[in-house]
Amino acid sequence: AQTVTQSQPEMSVQEAETVTLSCTYDTSENNYYLFWYKQPPSRQMILVIRQEAYKQQNATENRFSVNFQKAAKSFSLKISDSQLGDTAMYFCAFMKVDEKLTFGTGTRLTIIP
Amino acid sequence: EAGVAQSPRYKIIEKRQSVAFWCNPISGHATLYWYQQILGQGPKLLIQFQNNGVVDDSQLPKDRFSAERLKGVDSTLKIQPAKLEDSAVYLCASSSPGTVSTGELFFGEGSRLTVL
Repeated sequence: AQTVTQSQPEMSVQEAETVTLSCTYDTSENNYYLFWYKQPPSRQMILVIRQEAYKQQNATENRFSVNFQKAAKSFSLKISDSQLGDTAMYFCAFMKVDEKLTFGTGTRLTIIP
Repeated sequence: EAGVAQSPRYKIIEKRQSVAFWCNPISGHATLYWYQQILGQGPKLLIQFQNNGVVDDSQLPKDRFSAERLKGVDSTLKIQPAKLEDSAVYLCASSSPGTVSTGELFFGEGSRLTVL
């Protein structure tokens, strides 16, 4: 079974700074997807960014980018120019193609004004 | 476009009582999921429907949990009888035929259950 580990339960950073959230995973598969989902307080979870394992290029979505290290099974999320609206729980998730998502335990990120 | 709707948002019951949660997915989304999110943990899939058929219910405690999706649209998750360890947020999510294989799920705001 696949496992996803997020070793930082909580993080905080000043507004406008850059923050990196860590995630490692364990799998014997070669073809899979990795995700970062964001869950703001009392609001629905939304997809932030997705990475296909077969792509070497790191995914980027505006201020959000990932550092995907396939050999090391590492998948970190970098948030640049952090904003107050980035305050949320962030979940790293793994999915083998056409199978279910496996989520990590989450990192609670607080952006300080 | 309307999002995934869930109700009730909050429910408090005593152990051994029953509770039901309702979910209406985004229009046109054939796949519907129920997740259980216990405090301090990531969401865990309970059951996945494709239209009105069950795709995966391997982690659903079938002695007390049941779910149905009549007519392939909205869905109900029931717990009977509830235990203290069922205290959690129950998340409903849906995905379209174009995104189900790529992991993009659209979540509702969740139903928070407290069992006393």
